[in-house]
Amino acid sequence: ELKVEQNPLFLSMQEGKNYTIYCNYSTTSDRLYWYRQDPGKSLESLFVLLSNGAVKQEGRLMASLDTKARLSTLHITAAVHDLSATYFCAVDKDDTDKLIFGTGTRLQVFP
Amino acid sequence: DAGVTQSPTHLIKTRGQQVTLRCSPKSGHDTVSWYQQALGQGPQFIFQYYEEEERQRGNFPDRFSGHQFPNYSSELNVNALLLGDSALYLCASSRTSGEQFFGPGTRLTVL
Repeated sequence: ELKVEQNPLFLSMQEGKNYTIYCNYSTTSDRLYWYRQDPGKSLESLFVLLSNGAVKQEGRLMASLDTKARLSTLHITAAVHDLSATYFCAVDKDDTDKLIFGTGTRLQVFP
Repeated sequence: DAGVTQSPTHLIKTRGQQVTLRCSPKSGHDTVSWYQQALGQGPQFIFQYYEEEERQRGNFPDRFSGHQFPNYSSELNVNALLLGDSALYLCASSRTSGEQFFGPGTRLTVL
């Protein structure tokens, strides 16, 4: 059974600092997604990573995928308060559009 | 393009009742997936519809059933509601094997 684990589960960081969220998964997959969720809201797509070595950046967020290590990272550069949210990674099992989500990382950025 | 829409936004039911949730996919999308997100957890895959057929299913009991219509819209039905069915129900649409886009969700509370 495919398992997706994120760490840390909770991250409290100061504005201006850098940090990385890790997403490990247990079986082979070449498709990985990162989503953001604000409290009580739906999921907002951040990145779609489709191949080994893929790297994508948008603003202060950068995501990468290492399919051999079964690891994806979401790097936050110079955090700002507006980035406070819960971040989920999700793996597409067998490229069938069935997403298996990680546990989520709740990010809180304080002044 | 209206994106993925869901109705209703909120719903309160009592144990034992039945509920129907609705989803209209993004224009051009033919696949609809349903997810359940309990408070503080990541979304869990319920099932997926394509060409009006259930294509795959997660680990949910038969109380959870669905339907897809010729216009690609979909319904999720839950019978004999339990307290544990309280959650945010998310619908996602995609083209076959494409990126999934999530709707705003339906918040179901079972009393």
